Amino acid sequence: EVQLLESGGGLVQPGGSLRLSCAASGFTFSTYAMTWVRQAPGKGLEWVSAISSSGGSTYYAESVKGRFTISRDNSKNTLYLQMNSLRVEDTAMYYCVKALDGYNFRAPYGFWGQGTLVTVSS
Amino acid sequence: DIQMTQSPSSLSASVGDRVTLTCRASQEISNHLAWFQQKPGKAPKSLIYAASSLQSGVPSKFSGSGSGTDFTLTVSSLQPEDVATYYCQQYNSYPFTFGQGTKLEIK
Repeated sequence: EVQLLESGGGLVQPGGSLRLSCAASGFTFSTYAMTWVRQAPGKGLEWVSAISSSGGSTYYAESVKGRFTISRDNSKNTLYLQMNSLRVEDTAMYYCVKALDGYNFRAPYGFWGQGTLVTVSS
Repeated sequence: DIQMTQSPSSLSASVGDRVTLTCRASQEISNHLAWFQQKPGKAPKSLIYAASSLQSGVPSKFSGSGSGTDFTLTVSSLQPEDVATYYCQQYNSYPFTFGQGTKLEIK
């Protein structure tokens, strides 16, 4: 059974940093691209960042480029999102998403985690 | 970036009705279109990919169609458990953009 368990969310002041983690199980993590998607309270879904199965390719939304860094440790079956210089507008539920197809960086999404809440406030 | 526009923003229909949601891309995306269902307070769930292929375990009352720039999601017989917000997303090119969502309710 596929499982994605996000952690690391919490309350942080503007300008602060957080690192989100997504622990994966139930599939061969190293063969799937992974993505972070966020949702501000009461708002729609926003694509944040994606990483290829090897970690060699990454993409970022313009709204987070230069502040967020996506990475993965395939030996630990874990996806990360390092978030620096956080802003009030980064407040959202952050979801970890698994690609449907292996080794395809442009694959549609398959399974979603339950999310971790990040609140940026003074 | 490719803009995705969903219509209507909200829809109220009766139990048993056939409902159709629409999604339009600002440029051609072939069939690289997915639909997601998000029930209140829950994480999104993948419903359809490649415009018309059902994800594993998704009931056949959901169907998708379209290619190019215009797409639809149809629920053949609306039930109370289908109350949710539905999002489309293009995965033709990065950034993979979402529509703003259609909130589906029971009349």
